Amino acid sequence: DAMVIQNPRYQVTQFGKPVTLSCSQTLNHNVMYWYQQKSSQAPKLLFHYYDKDFNNEADTPDNFQSRRPNTSFCFLDIRSPGLGDAAMYLCATSKGPQPQHFGDGTRLSIL
Amino acid sequence: AQTVTQSQPEMSVQEAETVTLSCTYDTSESDYYLFWYKQPPSRQMILVIRQEAYKQQNATENRFSVNFQKAAKSFSLKISDSQLGDAAMYFCAYRTPRAGGTSYGKLTFGQGTILTVHP
Repeated sequence: DAMVIQNPRYQVTQFGKPVTLSCSQTLNHNVMYWYQQKSSQAPKLLFHYYDKDFNNEADTPDNFQSRRPNTSFCFLDIRSPGLGDAAMYLCATSKGPQPQHFGDGTRLSIL
Repeated sequence: AQTVTQSQPEMSVQEAETVTLSCTYDTSESDYYLFWYKQPPSRQMILVIRQEAYKQQNATENRFSVNFQKAAKSFSLKISDSQLGDAAMYFCAYRTPRAGGTSYGKLTFGQGTILTVHP
């Protein structure tokens, strides 16, 4: 089945140690999104790629970066994670008017 | 900017009964999409149902149906014959359909409603 795959499911990192989360898709969708979701809250959009065009949300901290080397893959880099960055990170994709498809998420813990 | 409000932080229902989750939104646009997503604990966010604003007919998907009131900017979800597997956080979401530009496809979520299903 076509899908959105996030790796790893669980990630533990140390305070201040850079970490990268990955997302891949087999849906051939041209738009990819990264969300941050804290416990019992709505997902908060960090940024999205429309094809190769990167679109950052105004309130996304500089600590968060993203790369999209090709249509299928997208990465979320957190340069110096703080305790407040512990959260679930969701990747989603879409194309045209179709609804967004979400991956299972990566739960990030900061020690 | 669009806003989405879910006024019920938590709801509960008995198995096999019907429950309705509320959602209101604010927008100045006339054409848009509305969605209900389901997120079980520690599991994937899944689309439950979608509604195009230009369609007057309410969307239905098996046991799930919506009551879309465009003038009132209301979009409630009705779950009939509730099952234990329906227990989850439910998010109402709004999306602009504008093609191109940075806003295309972006979702605005409500705060979510936690649904508990009692056996």
